[in-house]
Amino acid sequence: EPEVTQTPSHQVTQMGQEVILRCVPISNHLYFYWYRQILGQKVEFLVSFYNNEISEKSEIFDDQFSVERPDGSNFTLKIRSTKLEDSAMYFCASSEGDNEQFFGPGTRLTVL
Amino acid sequence: EDQVTQSPEALRLQEGESSSLNCSYTVSGLRGLFWYRQDPGKGPEFLFTLYSAGEEKEKERLKATLTKKESFLHITAPKPEDSATYLCAVQDSGYSTLTFGKGTMLLVSP
Repeated sequence: EPEVTQTPSHQVTQMGQEVILRCVPISNHLYFYWYRQILGQKVEFLVSFYNNEISEKSEIFDDQFSVERPDGSNFTLKIRSTKLEDSAMYFCASSEGDNEQFFGPGTRLTVL
Repeated sequence: EDQVTQSPEALRLQEGESSSLNCSYTVSGLRGLFWYRQDPGKGPEFLFTLYSAGEEKEKERLKATLTKKESFLHITAPKPEDSATYLCAVQDSGYSTLTFGKGTMLLVSP
């Protein structure tokens, strides 16, 4: 069964460093998303991406964040200068249409 | 602003003891309501989508129902492997984003 994959599973970084989180969405899906979940809190939307551009973004997704689809299979989230409060699980999701979204296993980001 | 409230926050059941989880929502126009299961340290796993009041979906021991203000996830004769956090999310019309509730943590004891 096709699934969303994410790498790395765990990323530890120093405050102020740049990180890139990687995702491979399900191959025939056209919509891509990033969500995050701070420990003990709800899953929060960051950004959606369709047709090679951002379609929606939340207030969390400020100038420190960017997304890219560098090739036909990968979808990345870059955080330019990490802060302590960026520590969270980051989930990539994809959908065939703008309906059911399928989530990856997540990347746990720890900012020290 | 879309809002999703789930209750109870946590639920402990004995194996075979049926119960229901509640998801109350506020949206300007409902495009879809989604149920996910999340195991500790893992990503949400898709269970159901409901689109209109009166709709019901079933999968094994789970049954989801929808009214204009809330959704229920009924668990019939649960087993220990049903232990997980169950998340409810809504999608507002005109948007593709999901707004999640905090979830109900279910523990089923043998």
